[in-house]
Amino acid sequence: QAVLTQPASLSASPGASASLTCTLRSGFNVGTFNIYWYQQKPGSPPQYLLTYKSDSDKQQGSGVPSRFSGSKDASANAGILLISGLQSEDEADYYCMIWHNNAWVFGGGTKLTVL
Amino acid sequence: EVQLVESAGGLIQPGGSLRLSCAASGFTVSSNYMTWVRQAPGKGPEWVSVIYSSGNTHYADSVKGRFTISRDNSKNTLYLQMNSLRDEDTAVYYCVGGLNYWGQGTLVTVSS
Repeated sequence: QAVLTQPASLSASPGASASLTCTLRSGFNVGTFNIYWYQQKPGSPPQYLLTYKSDSDKQQGSGVPSRFSGSKDASANAGILLISGLQSEDEADYYCMIWHNNAWVFGGGTKLTVL
Repeated sequence: EVQLVESAGGLIQPGGSLRLSCAASGFTVSSNYMTWVRQAPGKGPEWVSVIYSSGNTHYADSVKGRFTISRDNSKNTLYLQMNSLRDEDTAVYYCVGGLNYWGQGTLVTVSS
């Protein structure tokens, strides 16, 4: 079982909100990890969006709009990327990542379609 | 402005070697942790290796013993020496500075 599991795809309408989840495997407590989020569009490298550990410990990437935000659902052992006011340019692949034992561990990614 | 520019990859036969370089500008390689991440066609990113400002290095199990990360502080350049290449090493290789500075990537294809 992968350490980080993301739904393969998600669709949402322009102007709506999208909640992308990143579920940690049993044995990995979401509360102890910084969750990093990246956006990747075709032909480009991943772009750093934000880091979320808690409401008092979070960081937004430079130039990243505030409509991108992070949170956690402890009951689901998951990190969440919330995108509000969806725009067509938000259509992309989104990857979560944790830093564990000196290694970056990526989720499999969610393809977000805005239609 | 931060720029990370990887050297050209290429087509390499299985068992062959290749050294990638990543020239940095606007960003000091020796003062930051630097990472190599790869992405196979149609797949998600995969962490390969990291070198910290201390010089400590770490590798993914899939490349341990075959790949070596290093840097030249005088040239502000990061390297990845890849030996004993396998088909499954085929990917776009990205140089990453810290968390948020990524090069454009270079394609390495391992095939006979």
